[in-house]
Amino acid sequence: KAGVTQTPRYLIKTRGQQVTLSCSPISGHRSVSWYQQTPGQGLQFLFEYFSETQRNKGNFPGRFSGRQFSNSRSEMNVSTLELGDSALYLCASRVLGGSEQYFGPGTRLTVT
Amino acid sequence: KNEVEQSPQNLTAQEGEFITINCSYSVGISALHWLQQHPGGGIVSLFMLSSGKKKHGRLIATINIQEKHSSLHITASHPRDSAVYICAVLGNTGNQFYFGTGTSLTVIP
Repeated sequence: KAGVTQTPRYLIKTRGQQVTLSCSPISGHRSVSWYQQTPGQGLQFLFEYFSETQRNKGNFPGRFSGRQFSNSRSEMNVSTLELGDSALYLCASRVLGGSEQYFGPGTRLTVT
Repeated sequence: KNEVEQSPQNLTAQEGEFITINCSYSVGISALHWLQQHPGGGIVSLFMLSSGKKKHGRLIATINIQEKHSSLHITASHPRDSAVYICAVLGNTGNQFYFGTGTSLTVIP
């Protein structure tokens, strides 16, 4: 079974631009969660989607948004990028109700 | 205050040493995970615990639900164990994961 995939793996953007990241979960996993990881803050929860609906949201500004498609693939979007948005963005999938999450390799976003 | 606290933040050990990383949490949980992250970012799950103790090779994880505490032990440490180890808990609503800030382990040959 293929693992969680994320595209792109690396991205460089300029302040003020917007960015869209993509995550394809493991086949059969309908829950996708997004996390931001920075050296100072560690892993922080952004949001979780299940069946195209956002189930939970972390404490991030409205510039961070996401969606999930009917095939369970998910995208997250960050608008009006700030330097502080530079981070590794990880997605993870699981079977809803399951305790085990499987992480993708991450997208490293650099904002200049 | 973070829901999950780990200690130490950084750890340097000589090859062969016994290593312990600690995790304390303040929320009700349905499961606790130990994750390993190598340079480059990929995260793999080492253990999932809801009670007791689990062993996999040289790694042992324990959890004390009453004390809200877990430990990850590495016996006979090896340079390839060098990584960041992250403690994560799944809240007892099953809805959200909380993460510790990680322990950066370096094992010197």
